[in-house]
Amino acid sequence: GEDVEQSLFLSVREGDSSVINCTYTDSSSTYLYWYKQEPGAGLQLLTYIFSNMDMKQDQRLTVLLNKKDKHLSLRIADTQTGDSAIYFCAETPSGGKLIFGQGTELSVKP
Amino acid sequence: DADVTQTPRNRITKTGKRIMLECSQTKGHDRMYWYRQDPGLGLRLIYYSFDVKDINKGEISDGYSVSRQAQAKFSLSLESAIPNQTALYFCATSGLGNEQYFGPGTRLTVT
Repeated sequence: GEDVEQSLFLSVREGDSSVINCTYTDSSSTYLYWYKQEPGAGLQLLTYIFSNMDMKQDQRLTVLLNKKDKHLSLRIADTQTGDSAIYFCAETPSGGKLIFGQGTELSVKP
Repeated sequence: DADVTQTPRNRITKTGKRIMLECSQTKGHDRMYWYRQDPGLGLRLIYYSFDVKDINKGEISDGYSVSRQAQAKFSLSLESAIPNQTALYFCATSGLGNEQYFGPGTRLTVT
């Protein structure tokens, strides 16, 4: 079946790196996404990775994909208080839908 | 102007009332979606539509209905609201790719 799992909370200190982990079940997912939800707002696409890639780097963000273990991670370098938000990973099974994880609430302490 | 708008942004209603949430988009996308968000459960798909004549049930469609009035408009109705439908509701759109663009959300409270 289609299922995406994330831990619910992560707390880090400002300036440290944050690593948010996600496991998914659908090996046919072509793209895997990370969305960010700031308080009181909708979801914004943060980054994505194509399924034939192992890693994608975009400024402070690094996405790692382990297809064998169906494990996705998002690393945020030099985490800032403005990075405090809920982060959702999503897989793309066939049919044009996204399946979202529960979201990881990142809290950045000064 | 926002590409995906939702009205109302907040609504408090009583059990048994009919309520409609509206979504409009200016992105020219064919695909539109309705989700609800509950703490600790992430986003769950209620209904989706791949074009004006296409309506599909999502994971949790019971108690909801939708109408795709035009390419740019997709509304969600609760025929008889109940308290466990209290949640944050999001509309989203996508083009041919899987990337989805979200509206700002509607916070619905059913008392």
